[in-house]
Amino acid sequence: DIQMTQSPSSMSVSLGDTVTITCRASQDVGIYVNWFQQKPGKSPRRMIYRATNLADGVPSRFSGSRSGSDYSLTISSLESEDVADYHCLQYDEYPRTFGGGTKLELK
Amino acid sequence: EVQLVETGGGLVQPGRSLKLSCVASGFTFNNYWMSWTRQAPGKGLEWVASITNSGGSTYYPDSVKGRFTISRDNAQNTLYLQMNSLRSEDTATYYCTRDGHTMGMDYWGQGVMVTVSS
Repeated sequence: DIQMTQSPSSMSVSLGDTVTITCRASQDVGIYVNWFQQKPGKSPRRMIYRATNLADGVPSRFSGSRSGSDYSLTISSLESEDVADYHCLQYDEYPRTFGGGTKLELK
Repeated sequence: EVQLVETGGGLVQPGRSLKLSCVASGFTFNNYWMSWTRQAPGKGLEWVASITNSGGSTYYPDSVKGRFTISRDNAQNTLYLQMNSLRSEDTATYYCTRDGHTMGMDYWGQGVMVTVSS
């Protein structure tokens, strides 16, 4: 099975920060990575598809990138509404596997 | 507007069965693969099952293979998850998701809670 190792597991952030979360894939997953945002008590919301593409309605301060087997989600100029949990997913092959999640908390 | 509405959750004893349903609307259901994903309380996300648009093929992780069965009724725009031999570690919120072809899990339902406890 492909492991998606997500880091950090939590991060203390300030409004206006640039935040980067990374998932490292244990095998090649190509471009088939999603990033999701999840707020307490809510369903995950897809933010990024095909590693670098912004989903509809997602603010442009979010971006996805890839460097080899490392996939990153970057939030520029963090706003209060961005404080949430974030998850990566590889959907290149079965079993689908998620990263362990990253919790953003305000300082 | 795409909507996925799950029902069927609840409290069930270990070893018993439960069947979840997900009614889809706002898109052509039989054009899309569908999946179930779960989240144990305070934990991360875990993919549980997927099914092709025709229902002809299904996929499961080892953790549920042989116990869970995903199915669909394209005439009723409904996705199902039959869960047998339930264990305490199956306690989670279960989400119905649409597989947007090469775009991954693009829509999620609101989730339904399943609690396995005696």
